[in-house]
Amino acid sequence: SQQGEEDPQALSIQEGENATMNCSYKTSINNLQWYRQNSGRGLVHLILIRSNEREKHSGRLRVTLDTSKKSSSLLITASRAADTASYFCATLFNSGNTPLVFGKGTRLSVIA
Amino acid sequence: DTEVTQTPKHLVMGMTNKKSLKCEQHMGHRAMYWYKQKAKKPPELMFVYSYEKLSINESVPSRFSPECPNSSLLNLHLHALQPEDSALYLCASSLTVPGQGSTGELFFGEGSRLTVL
Repeated sequence: SQQGEEDPQALSIQEGENATMNCSYKTSINNLQWYRQNSGRGLVHLILIRSNEREKHSGRLRVTLDTSKKSSSLLITASRAADTASYFCATLFNSGNTPLVFGKGTRLSVIA
Repeated sequence: DTEVTQTPKHLVMGMTNKKSLKCEQHMGHRAMYWYKQKAKKPPELMFVYSYEKLSINESVPSRFSPECPNSSLLNLHLHALQPEDSALYLCASSLTVPGQGSTGELFFGEGSRLTVL
């Protein structure tokens, strides 16, 4: 399967702490994206990092990409209860002919 | 308008019923997608329409029948479903179609929660 793997599967932290989620993939990518999903809702695009980029920031989000290790991490700083959600990485492969492939996701719980 | 709108939000149907899920976007996106998502699992791709033509069918059973009447609308017709088909059905769109310089970024609707009795 080309599906990415996230770890941890579930993460529980206190409000104000940082949350780090990791994603690994198997084949060369064009870009990697992170999406957020609140329980029972649709997915929302958070950030996209291209294969020639190593780090990207958006507000409290920091994404890194290591193409040599085929891995990415998403850091949420100063987490809030409202950050409680599932987070999915998704990869666009170099062929570009197929849609995004989603990882299995990390369920984040931020406790107030 | 940057929304993908799905109706209905909830649907309960029997195994002999025929129903449809609807999806609409007015962003001028040229690709539209149906995903199925079970609890605590990632979305699974079902169908992709590129320029209103079916371009990808991920070996989905024929009891699911997609339709793209025009560039803004996407339907999923349901017939003779099984209880295991109960799931959240997500519609998504992207500006360009896979393979044509697309970043792949997807815009999702809020989903239709389907329960098959």
